[in-house]
Order: sequence, then structure tokens, then C-alpha cells
Amino acid sequence: AQSVTQLDSHVSVSEGTPVLLRCNYSSSYSPSLFWYVQHPNKGLQLLLKYTSAATLVKGINGFEAEFKKSETSFHLTKPSAHMSDAAEYFCVVSGAGGSYIPTFGRGTSLIVHP
Amino acid sequence: DAGVTQSPTHLIKTRGQQVTLRCSPKSGHDTVSWYQQALGQGPQFIFQYYEEEERQRGNFPDRFSGHQFPNYSSELNVNALLLGDSALYLCASSFGGQPQHFGDGTRLSIL
Repeated sequence: AQSVTQLDSHVSVSEGTPVLLRCNYSSSYSPSLFWYVQHPNKGLQLLLKYTSAATLVKGINGFEAEFKKSETSFHLTKPSAHMSDAAEYFCVVSGAGGSYIPTFGRGTSLIVHP
Repeated sequence: DAGVTQSPTHLIKTRGQQVTLRCSPKSGHDTVSWYQQALGQGPQFIFQYYEEEERQRGNFPDRFSGHQFPNYSSELNVNALLLGDSALYLCASSFGGQPQHFGDGTRLSIL
């Protein structure tokens, strides 16, 4: 079984300050992990993915995430928030072994203040 | 290069009716997955189609069915609509196990 927990339903930051969106997972297999972003009335866009290579994963738009197996975490960070980063962010876990059913977290709404 | 396209963008139905949603995958993609996203929730996996067959299925009743055509496009059919079926329905396509590309979704409202 696999599951993912996004620890914050909302995160509020000021423009130019760091962003931290937290995600914990559980998986019976070596997981693949993803972060997606969803802007209002739009589909999801892949930010980055972890598939058992480097534990620090760099994505698009300055985002990165670190896979920590001992903490079962995959937190998303960005050094400096932009207004355009305001959106819903989803952490996703997917099992290995040929069975692909992705499990999405409930999402974290990122609010960026000017 | 067109991405994933879904139609219609919005749809209003009444309880008990049937609905068909359509998806054209990104060029070069051969695998299509469907998701249901209720308001304020993350997407939930419905099923995935590859080579015109359902390959994986999530925890959804048989009222939800699908089809994939030889050109890789896909349909999602929902019978006997319930109020709880109101949601954003997302289609995603992929190729060779690479990450999925999502369409903008179909907003289905049940009255």
C-alpha cells in the first residue's frame, strides 16, 4: 500500500522569501515521487520527479525537492517566491514493480503576498 | 505541438443521465489515464488505457468505463450519474513510462 500526506493545506509567504511545501509518503516499494502544480482552471504541470537517482532533484521554475528515505519525506522548496508561483501543489507517490496507480496528496495552496 | 486536449470544457447533467468525456493525447503518447478531482481534493486515479485495453483501474465502480481508439484518443463514460460525480475530470497521456502530461480537464456538474 502507498499513501502521501501533505502536511499543510495552505502556505502563505511574501514575494522574495523562501517556499517550503511539506510531503510525507509511505510505500511498500521503492517509490517514484513527483510534485505537480495546478493553476486555477488548469490541468496539472509536472515540476519535478524522483526515481531513485540523485536524492536532490531540481525541477522547473527554480523548484527543487530532497528525497529523505529515513524521514519518508519529499519536501518541495524554492529560494525566492514569485507572485506567479501562487497555485495548488500536489505531491504524488507511485509504486514500483509494474503496478502503476499514482496516489495524490490533497494539495497545498501556496499564497504569495506582494 | 498540441498538448493533451479534452472536450467539452464544461458539462451540466442531471442525476441518472449518462455522460461521455473525450481526450486526445499529446502527439507521440500512447497511454491515457483518467482522474477525478473533487473540489478541494487531489486527483483520484480512475483507470489507464494502453493498446486499447484497460491496464490499471482505481477504486471506482463499474458505472465508470472507458475506451481507447486506434489513434490513442480515449473516452470516459459514466452511467447513472450521481450528485457525487460532480468533479473536474482530468485526462493525462504518457509514453514509455515517462511522466504524464495533463489536459485542462472537463468540469462536470450534476444537478
